[in-house]
Formats: sequence, structure tokens, C-alpha cells
Amino acid sequence: GAVVSQHPSWVICKSGTSVKIECRSLDFQATTMFWYRQFPKQSLMLMATSNEGSKATYEQGVEKDKFLINHASLTLSTLTVTSAHPEDSSFYICSARAGTSGRSGELFFGEGSRLTVL
Amino acid sequence: AQRVTQPEKLLSVFKGAPVELKCNYSYSGSPELFWYVQYSRQRLQLLLRHISRESIKGFTADLNKGETSFHLKKPFAQEEDSAMYYCALSGRGYGGATNKLIFGTGTLLAVQP
Repeated sequence: GAVVSQHPSWVICKSGTSVKIECRSLDFQATTMFWYRQFPKQSLMLMATSNEGSKATYEQGVEKDKFLINHASLTLSTLTVTSAHPEDSSFYICSARAGTSGRSGELFFGEGSRLTVL
Repeated sequence: AQRVTQPEKLLSVFKGAPVELKCNYSYSGSPELFWYVQYSRQRLQLLLRHISRESIKGFTADLNKGETSFHLKKPFAQEEDSAMYYCALSGRGYGGATNKLIFGTGTLLAVQP
């Protein structure tokens, strides 16, 4: 199946710094990628839909200035957590849909990136 | 509003016992339903989707529109089935390429030897 890769897999940063997480589709093009946040032992919460070449669509309650999303190419989306604070510590997961037809295209998930803010 | 409900956080069964992971959904249109599985220390992966009507690893799930349910079933559980299972919903309709997946809270299946 298609592969989605995230980098870094784990990052520790000081409070107030910004952290960038990359999501790449390795063997397919993805016009749409999704960013999720997962708290320990909880479900995945959709944060935003990343659209190649246009602005991301954020879910209600997600601060777009806090979580900057850039989808500059068909194989790369980035999530930047700006001025990170301890409450931003979480597991961030991206997914990409294979194929541009989309509706029944399978979603492939990255391995996730664990952010720890000290 | 779109919503997926998985009432059980944990389901513990013995090897060889039948398994049913419950999932109910709320959606005003015609949804697509999925089951995703996450084994320990691995990424989330698709197990099955309702439109395929397939059986994967012995698991099946039938969409019941009357009861708005999509329960996951397996007649005989195996230890290797132990994992976190998420029910998910995607809305159909325009374009489809950006239809997002909404996940339930997940059920941890523990199959005891």
C-alpha cells in the first residue's frame, strides 16, 4: 500500500519555541492531507484539512494561527506549532488520501509525531 | 452533525470467543463507514470499509441504516487481534476528495489466551 511518512517521530522543545512537523506521501500524490491530534488513550481529533496550493480548512476550536499548515506540493504538508506550550504536548498524526478521485480513496496514515513541550 | 460513538473503551475476551465491537453513527446524509485498527506501536491502518462488503482477517461489519450501526464482528477471536479499533465515518457527496474522516473514541480489544 501507499506510504505516508512523518518527521520527526519525536521532538522535545522548550516552551515558547516553534516546532515543524513534516508529512510526506512517499509513493503517491496527495492533493489532500489531514492532520489529527491524539491525546493518550483517546481518539484522533481532526484538526485541519490541508489542501495543496490553497489554505487549510480548520476544524472548529482549532487555532489556525497556533497550528500553521502549509501544503506546498503534492507530496508534502507541514504542521508548525507556534509558540508551543506544555498543553500542546500530544501525538500528531497526518493522513493522506491516495488518488485524486477521493471519495472512496483509502486514507493512509503516518506513524505520528510525538511532541513534548517542557 | 457527524458523530461516531463507540460505547466500549475496553473489550476483553478469551481466545476463540466471538467478538463484537459496537459502533453507532449520526449523519444526515449517506455516509461511508470504516473500521481502522492500530496494533501496539504501529500506525493506524484500514481494516475494512462498508462499501467493499469484505472480510478481512475474519472480521466483518454490516451497515445497518435503520439502527445507524456498523458493528465489527469476528466469530473466533485470536490473540493477534488484540489492538485498538476505531470506527470512522466519512460523508459522501460533492467531490469527495476532501471528505474528512471522523473517528469514534476507539475500543481496545484484549484477547486473553
